[in-house]
Amino acid sequence: NAGVTQTPKFQVLKTGQSMTLQCAQDMNHEYMSWYRQDPGMGLRLIHYSVGAGITDQGEVPNGYNVSRSTTEDFPLRLLSAAPSQTSVYFCASSYGPSQETQYFGPGTRLLVL
Amino acid sequence: DQQVKQNSPSLSVQEGRISILNCDYTNSMFDYFLWYKKYPAEGPTFLISISSIKDKNEDGRFTVFLNKSAKHLSLHIVPSQPGDSAVYFCAASVGGAGSYQLTFGKGTKLSVIP
Repeated sequence: NAGVTQTPKFQVLKTGQSMTLQCAQDMNHEYMSWYRQDPGMGLRLIHYSVGAGITDQGEVPNGYNVSRSTTEDFPLRLLSAAPSQTSVYFCASSYGPSQETQYFGPGTRLLVL
Repeated sequence: DQQVKQNSPSLSVQEGRISILNCDYTNSMFDYFLWYKKYPAEGPTFLISISSIKDKNEDGRFTVFLNKSAKHLSLHIVPSQPGDSAVYFCAASVGGAGSYQLTFGKGTKLSVIP
């Protein structure tokens, strides 16, 4: 099992550009989520999904879109990047809603100029 | 307004001694608390949790204490080992272990000196 994989590891964008952060898991987990971690801050939930076709907003959803067409993949789309979206993005998955069984990916570091 | 606060950004401890990491919260609705450990360039990993109906939970070298009246929890690591050097995040939720929305603290960087 590869666990939770994220691509790319690092990305530089210009303000206004769009991009998709990829997240995949091979554990057949129902729950997947996206977090951001700003420098010196804790993680904040952006969006999450409780199964294919079902997504919901977290604490900081503005400026991001998600979709869940398959169990394995949960991409995060930045529609028009802003410097305030400079952060490290973590994808996570779990079998159920329990946070204790949540596996995190290694993160994508995003710099928006 | 920060609902979960870890007021010590860093902590250094000698190998073999006790490490105590502290966390305070302001939202009295929080009823489930977790600690995560994070190494550089990796995602966080779950360490230990506690429900608000308990005041202590132990797992090997790790013990979490909860003081609801003070809205304070602490993570004790005994004995500390160099491999424990990492950033530790405290997190809290409303709605028990099945709640998916967590509020995280800013983290405390623990350095265990050999």
